[in-house]
Amino acid sequence: GAGVSQSPRYKVTKRGQDVALRCDPISGHVSLYWYRQALGQGPEFLTYFNYEAQQDKSGLPNDRFSAERPEGSISTLTIQRTEQRDSAMYRCASSLLGGPYEQYFGPGTRLTVT
Amino acid sequence: TQLLEQSPQFLSIQEGENLTVYCNSSSVFSSLQWYRQEPGEGPVLLVTVVTGGEVKKLKRLTFQFGDARKDSSLHITAAQPGDTGLYLCAGGGTSYGKLTFGQGTILTVHP
Repeated sequence: GAGVSQSPRYKVTKRGQDVALRCDPISGHVSLYWYRQALGQGPEFLTYFNYEAQQDKSGLPNDRFSAERPEGSISTLTIQRTEQRDSAMYRCASSLLGGPYEQYFGPGTRLTVT
Repeated sequence: TQLLEQSPQFLSIQEGENLTVYCNSSSVFSSLQWYRQEPGEGPVLLVTVVTGGEVKKLKRLTFQFGDARKDSSLHITAAQPGDTGLYLCAGGGTSYGKLTFGQGTILTVHP
């Protein structure tokens, strides 16, 4: 079966532009998570969903960041008016349920804001 | 805010040596997971511990969850070059699906 997929894998954008990052979780997984990861560091939690409901968005840095999962499957993380400090690896993960279950991570989207 | 501190941040050893990585917090976690990440890939789960004092073994890897569920350790016996990677601990807290990751330990095992 397919794992978690993310697109695009690489995104270069100019400061001030909006970007949308897509995550396609493992089929049947209820929970979906977004993280941001710096090189050689642990992932930093951004937000997560159970089905289509956003359960926790406490990790979103500011109101330029938003996420949705309208049909409880594919999710989009949107960053408006990008800034250079937004440059990072953005990772998506999914799990069968929330809680102490294994999270399966996608390959990530490397975002570079110039 | 729950924080997890991992130590050491870097570890460079020879094949055959033993090592321990520590994960500490002042907060109580409902569960503790250890992940391993290779360059260019996402983290992959190694183990989940949920009970204070729990010890789990996975071949040459031994994981322990502290009695108070605030800390954990990962011990590798007779390290091999294939063990090289970024090791991450992650704690599950009050927001049931949210994981707090430590900053990671970069392990290099030289042949």
